[in-house]
Amino acid sequence: EAGVVQSPRYKIIEKKQPVAFWCNPISGHNTLYWYRQNLGQGPELLIRYENEEAVDDSQLPKDRFSAERLKGVDSTLKIQPAELGDSAVYLCASSLVLTSGYQETQYFGPGTRLLVL
Amino acid sequence: AQKVTQAQTEISVVEKEDVTLDCVYETRDTTYYLFWYKQPPSGELVFLIRRNSFDEQNEISGRYSWNFQKSTSSFNFTITASQVVDSAVYFCALSEATIQGAQKLVFGQGTRLTINP
Repeated sequence: EAGVVQSPRYKIIEKKQPVAFWCNPISGHNTLYWYRQNLGQGPELLIRYENEEAVDDSQLPKDRFSAERLKGVDSTLKIQPAELGDSAVYLCASSLVLTSGYQETQYFGPGTRLLVL
Repeated sequence: AQKVTQAQTEISVVEKEDVTLDCVYETRDTTYYLFWYKQPPSGELVFLIRRNSFDEQNEISGRYSWNFQKSTSSFNFTITASQVVDSAVYFCALSEATIQGAQKLVFGQGTRLTINP
């Protein structure tokens, strides 16, 4: 069974440019997460989707970051415009959340390493 | 608020030595889950174990073992007879319950483990 797929793996852009990351979760997983991992730190949640609904985006910097999961499957995270401080690894994860609220384990993709110059 | 502390930033041992990675957590929830993930140089977070707050039994999986002690809010991870392939950054994480019922992960800062031949 395929794991979480992310692309691109690496991206180098100049500041003020836009950038987008794509994630395809594990088949059947209804919940998708975007995390940001700064160098030497643990991942921090940016946004969580249950199907196509963003149910927790409290940590997403909404002035420049946006995300969508239109059909409840794959998702795109966008930054526009990028700033130097956005350099980080952007991780996507997915899990199955049952109607009872019980969440199965989150599985992570390989991440997109972003460098803003 | 939930918090995970991994006090050991870096550990370096010689192959075949045993090594223990410490994890201390804070939460007000009575029901929670604890996790360990491994992050090799490739960047992907690899799930190792999940433990719920009601199960304090220690677990062993091959050379890996976990010691969960609610009394000290600790969830330590031991690798026995370490191997070079164990070199990675290891993250301890805590899941907190959200108002929607599903859970998000709060990570520690990670411990970089280097196994020298």
